[in-house]
Amino acid sequence: GDSVTQMEGPVTLSEEAFLTINCTYTATGYPSLFWYVQYPGEGLQLLLKATKADDKGSNKGFEATYRKETTSFHLEKGSVQVSDSAVYFCAPLINDYKLSFGAGTTVTVRA
Amino acid sequence: NAGVTQTPKFRVLKTGQSMTLLCAQDMNHEYMYWYRQDPGMGLRLIHYSVGEGTTAKGEVPDGYNVSRLKKQNFLLGLESAAPSQTSVYFCASRDGNSPLHFGNGTRLTVT
Repeated sequence: GDSVTQMEGPVTLSEEAFLTINCTYTATGYPSLFWYVQYPGEGLQLLLKATKADDKGSNKGFEATYRKETTSFHLEKGSVQVSDSAVYFCAPLINDYKLSFGAGTTVTVRA
Repeated sequence: NAGVTQTPKFRVLKTGQSMTLLCAQDMNHEYMYWYRQDPGMGLRLIHYSVGEGTTAKGEVPDGYNVSRLKKQNFLLGLESAAPSQTSVYFCASRDGNSPLHFGNGTRLTVT
């Protein structure tokens, strides 16, 4: 069936380090792909999205490229800040009404 | 700009008690969802609705019921609460190919 596999955490980094969180999915067709972020004590909010192959989503210094060949949508940021400490979720839109969420990756950035 | 509003924010129940969580959205979205979030489990879909008067089961529907009598509201009911239902509950809504808009969550503890 359709599923999403997300890199397990937790991930602990120093400020200005490079961050990458892997996400791969299985689905029929070519779903829209989303990354959500959850800051401590808050609900989830959209970080970025890509709707077709080779699209690159970007926001707040984060980027992710829709790779059809490898069914991946890895999240990257070149220089993280303490304020990037959060839980990150990969979520492909499997069909018209259902998003499947990865288990979430907890990222902690130390000053 | 209320977006998605969940009430209450916190609740403590004793085993066997019942309660209803309310979700309201003001964006005229067709689709609405209830998720639960547990440590290490990510988000799991409980029930969802693709329009007024319709509901469907998600991944973990047992012990919950839902109703969508009005397009803007999606209610989640627990008829007889159990400690296993201690969790953070998130409501979300969307339309078409748009991303999910989340509420800020309800933290439920069942003792």
